[in-house]
Amino acid sequence: EAQVTQNPRYLITVTGKKLTVTCSQNMNHEYMSWYRQDPGLGLRQIYYSMNVEVTDKGDVPEGYKVSRKEKRNFPLILESPSPNQTSLYFCASSPTQGTGEQYFGPGTRLTVT
Amino acid sequence: GENVEQHPSTLSVQEGDSAVIKCTYSDSASNYFPWYKQELGKRPQLIIDIRSNVGEKKDQRIAVTLNKTAKHFSLHITETQPEDSAVYFCAASKAGDYKLSFGAGTTVTVRA
Repeated sequence: EAQVTQNPRYLITVTGKKLTVTCSQNMNHEYMSWYRQDPGLGLRQIYYSMNVEVTDKGDVPEGYKVSRKEKRNFPLILESPSPNQTSLYFCASSPTQGTGEQYFGPGTRLTVT
Repeated sequence: GENVEQHPSTLSVQEGDSAVIKCTYSDSASNYFPWYKQELGKRPQLIIDIRSNVGEKKDQRIAVTLNKTAKHFSLHITETQPEDSAVYFCAASKAGDYKLSFGAGTTVTVRA
C-alpha cells in the first residue's frame, strides 16, 4: 500500500530534550516536506527536500533540522525543543516539486512542557 | 515570499445549499492552486487543483475558479452533504519553486 508514515504519532516531552520525528514514504517520491499545523495559522512549511542530500528552508525553519540521507526517509529533528514548538506536525511527499499533489502522513501531535 | 489569505475562517451552511471559500495570493508568478480537505483528526487530502492556464475546473459537486488578474481563486461546493463538513485549505505555488504556501483554513459545517 502506497503511504507516508510518521513516528511517533503522539509525543509529550520536556523543554530542551532532543527528539526526532521520523517520516518514511514507499512511493519513490523525490520531494518531501514537513509542515506544522496550528489553530488559525493553517499549515506552515518548515523544511523541504527536493532529493537525497538536497534540503531547503520553508517559512518557519527556526528550531528545526532535517536530513535526507535516503530517498524514502526525511526525519525532523528538534535539538532543543521549546513550548512554542507544541504543534501538530505533518510530513508529506510528492512525485513532483511544489506543483503537484502532496501525500500527507498521519500527523504527529507534539507537546513540549 | 507568497502570502495566501483565505476567507471566511468558518462557514455554516444548510444541507443542500452551496458553500464558497475564497483565497487571494500575492505572488503573480504563482501558477498552481490546490485545495485540501482535512476531516477531524485526519490528514489533509487533495480534493481539486487548478493551474494558471485554466479558469475553471469541476469535479462532480466541487469546482474551483481562478482569476489571475485579480490574484484570487475560489472553491465552490454545491448540494452540500454532512460529509462535506471539514477544514478546507487553499494553497499556492509556482513552477520551479519547491515551496507550497497554505491559507489559514476554513471550517465548514453542514447542518442537517
